[in-house]
Amino acid sequence: EPEVTQTPSHQVTQMGQEVILRCVPISNHLYFYWYRQILGQKVEFLVSFYNNEISEKSEIFDDQFSVERPDGSNFTLKIRSTKLEDSAMYFCASRGTSGISYEQYFGPGTRLTVT
Amino acid sequence: QKEVEQDPGPLSVPEGAIVSLNCTYSNSAFQYFMWYRQYSRKGPELLMYTYSSGNKEDGRFTAQVDKSSKYISLFIRDSQPSDSATYLCAMSARNTDKLIFGTGTRLQVFP
Repeated sequence: EPEVTQTPSHQVTQMGQEVILRCVPISNHLYFYWYRQILGQKVEFLVSFYNNEISEKSEIFDDQFSVERPDGSNFTLKIRSTKLEDSAMYFCASRGTSGISYEQYFGPGTRLTVT
Repeated sequence: QKEVEQDPGPLSVPEGAIVSLNCTYSNSAFQYFMWYRQYSRKGPELLMYTYSSGNKEDGRFTAQVDKSSKYISLFIRDSQPSDSATYLCAMSARNTDKLIFGTGTRLQVFP
């Protein structure tokens, strides 16, 4: 069964450093998302991406964040200058375009620890 | 009022019990309703997806949506210890892909 994959599974970085989180969405999907989950809190939407541009973003997704689809298979989230409060699980998700399906499939997540 | 409310539990039931998990919401624009299962430190796994009001059944799982009451439910029949996980409701409005999640209900099924 096709699945979303994410690398690395755990990333430790120092405050102020740049990080790039990588995702490989399900191969025939065209809509891509990033969510995050701070420990013990809700899963929160960050950004949606379609047709090589951001279609929607949340207030959390400020100028420190960017997304890119550098090739036909990868989807990345970059945080330019990490803060302590960026420590969270980051989930990539994707969905197809069949009918009106809004089913989003999530990857296993990258645990980001900012020290 | 929070957009989506969900009792965090924990909910502890014996194997074989029928489990009822619920969410309420305040935004009447929500049209798409999903249930995800999340094991500790893993990604949410899509269980059920429903559009608008009504019921949907898939094996031991039944999802119900009552838009007039702004209330959704997930029923698990013949619960198994492997069902022990956190169950997240999520919903979105038309013309947006942004999923709004509940806090999740932690379920434990003991043998």
